[in-house]
Amino acid sequence: EVQLLESGGGLVQPGGSLRLSCTDSGFTFTSCAMSWVRQTPGKGLEWVSAISGSGAVTYYADSVKGRFIISRDNSKNTLYLQMDSLRAEDTAVYFCGGWPEGSHSKLDYWGQGTLVTVSS
Amino acid sequence: EVVMTQSPLSLSVTLGQAASISCRSSQRLEYTDGNTYLNWFQQRPGQSPRRLIYQVSNRDSGVPDRFSGSGSGTDFTLKISRVEAEDVGFYYCMQPIHWPLTFGQGTKVEIK
Repeated sequence: EVQLLESGGGLVQPGGSLRLSCTDSGFTFTSCAMSWVRQTPGKGLEWVSAISGSGAVTYYADSVKGRFIISRDNSKNTLYLQMDSLRAEDTAVYFCGGWPEGSHSKLDYWGQGTLVTVSS
Repeated sequence: EVVMTQSPLSLSVTLGQAASISCRSSQRLEYTDGNTYLNWFQQRPGQSPRRLIYQVSNRDSGVPDRFSGSGSGTDFTLKISRVEAEDVGFYYCMQPIHWPLTFGQGTKVEIK
């Protein structure tokens, strides 16, 4: 069973950086594509970025392209999101999600989320 | 970008009654394999989203059979046959085949 646990959220000033982590304890990490999805307080869901199982292929939403980098370390069963040049509008709960590589349905699994607050 | 439009955005339902949520996509959600892909997620208060339905009408493991999905092309529906108290929360449709992945605005379901 996939169990995803995010960490790394917190308060950061505008223009600052933060790195989120997502660890899978279900021993299926390397066979899963992974993604980050965020939810602004009181609002809906916004897909942020995705990465293939090998890490060779990545996708980004236009709103974060050039500022965020998704990566993974399969030896550590860990997904990362490096967030630079943070803006107030990046304030959100960030969820990691995964799905078996090759599945077109996506986002079978979700973590519990970590809150990022961008404020001075 | 594929725009997903849900209606209604809010639904107040009597316990035991049926509820229906509509989702419309700005592009057809048929993949090159000939299948149509559309997900429904439930988010209970204070919880992470949970996928209920994938590929339009397939229930995920553990999802009660009172939840059903239907539709084709660009028009999709999630139905709850008999609403229970644990069904309170938000419901989102999502298209998983065109990048960027996109969600509907969400529909809030509450008990009348």
